[in-house]
Amino acid sequence: SSELTQDPAVSVALGQTVRITCQGDSLKNYYASWYQQKAGQAPVLVIYGKDIRPSRIPDRFSGSNSGNSATLTITGAQAEDEADYYCHSRDISGNHVVFGGGTKLTVL
Amino acid sequence: EVQLVESGGGLVQPGRSLRLSCAASGFTFGDYAMNWVRQAPGKGLEWVSHIDWNSGSIAYADSVKGRFSISRDNGNNSLSLQMNSLRVEDTALYYCAKESAGYSSSWPYYYYYMDAWGKGTMVTVSS
Repeated sequence: SSELTQDPAVSVALGQTVRITCQGDSLKNYYASWYQQKAGQAPVLVIYGKDIRPSRIPDRFSGSNSGNSATLTITGAQAEDEADYYCHSRDISGNHVVFGGGTKLTVL
Repeated sequence: EVQLVESGGGLVQPGRSLRLSCAASGFTFGDYAMNWVRQAPGKGLEWVSHIDWNSGSIAYADSVKGRFSISRDNGNNSLSLQMNSLRVEDTALYYCAKESAGYSSSWPYYYYYMDAWGKGTMVTVSS
């Protein structure tokens, strides 16, 4: 079982805001990073550190941390945002890498 | 442009070995830690192994420890994964990923992220 826990599936109406959460004790020590994976493609980094977006990622993607949880927020979800989203961090010891189980986002 | 290209996957019988390679370009390979991450068909991402920039720190997931061995050649910009005693449950698409790290002045301060991924190489373990 993953040391980072995500809801398996979330849906959002087109243009609305959706929040995808990730929980785990290691998030008290490390920021989460977030990846988007579309069907048949490699994962793409969308958020890391304290709400940092790679240059090619739209500004509707944002991230936050609180306690032992992290949240990826998509403000004004678009059809092209439909994908699987994974959080990532180090484990509580810092020696191993962990991924959340992934959240399948459906844009209605 | 950063590029990571995996190779070496294929169909192999249980108990046999396979060696994966990842050719890196577009960045100073020797400055970065690298990871292998796998994804079984229809499943989520699973971290496999990590190696820091000079091979001084290496870690493995419990599921592969003792069977897999990660290595790197900074002179040739390449990463490898030697996989021995393969099991059916090792069947997956194997990605290599470049890892970066940072520090923020705000809690929880430290962060790691995989900012480049290859397209993956498929390993199928079956009799």
